Amino acid sequence: KQEVTQIPAALSVPEGENLVLNCSFTDSAIYNLQWFRQDPGKGLTSLLLIQSSQREQTSGRLNASLDKSSGRSTLYIAASQPGDSATYLCAVRSQGGSEKLVFGKGTKLTVNP
Amino acid sequence: EAQVTQNPRYLITVTGKKLTVTCSQNMNHEYMSWYRQDPGLGLRQIYYSMNVEVTDKGDVPEGYKVSRKEKRNFPLILESPSPNQTSLYFCASSPWQGMNKQFFGPGTRLTVL
Repeated sequence: KQEVTQIPAALSVPEGENLVLNCSFTDSAIYNLQWFRQDPGKGLTSLLLIQSSQREQTSGRLNASLDKSSGRSTLYIAASQPGDSATYLCAVRSQGGSEKLVFGKGTKLTVNP
Repeated sequence: EAQVTQNPRYLITVTGKKLTVTCSQNMNHEYMSWYRQDPGLGLRQIYYSMNVEVTDKGDVPEGYKVSRKEKRNFPLILESPSPNQTSLYFCASSPWQGMNKQFFGPGTRLTVL
């Protein structure tokens, strides 16, 4: 059974700092990995999608990497801003069966001005 | 605009009163899925559908029903809601191939008293 873990559960940094969020998964039989952002009580905003055959994806100040063999992904946020404060969710789309997304519990990021 | 819509966005109801949460997508996607999000438990799949008239249970199907009579719509039905179904619900869709990105609706916050 696929399990996704995100560390740390919460992170507080000063504005301008570069930071890394971690995601690990137990089963490498995945189609892809997706990073989402969620503001309190709100919906999911898709940030980056990495296919299983890819190593990384970039969008603006965000860079996500994937090491499928070791079951790890990182989300790098450069020059953090208070507007980046949110919960970041990692999800893997498992092969076979329901092809569902299996989510981690998220990292709550606070960027202090 | 390509999107997944859900209605209602917010609903407060009482135990036992049947309700339906609608989900509609305009992207001609074959795959649709419902998730619920609860504090400490993350997002979990309720039901999914690979195509019209093809539905199956996810991880937490008890107390829910779905139907897929048309490609664009995938309603979630609570025949007799109970307080433990108070949650934030998300509908998602994607093309059937697993490597494709899932698109999420804005969420429905349901409170059952």
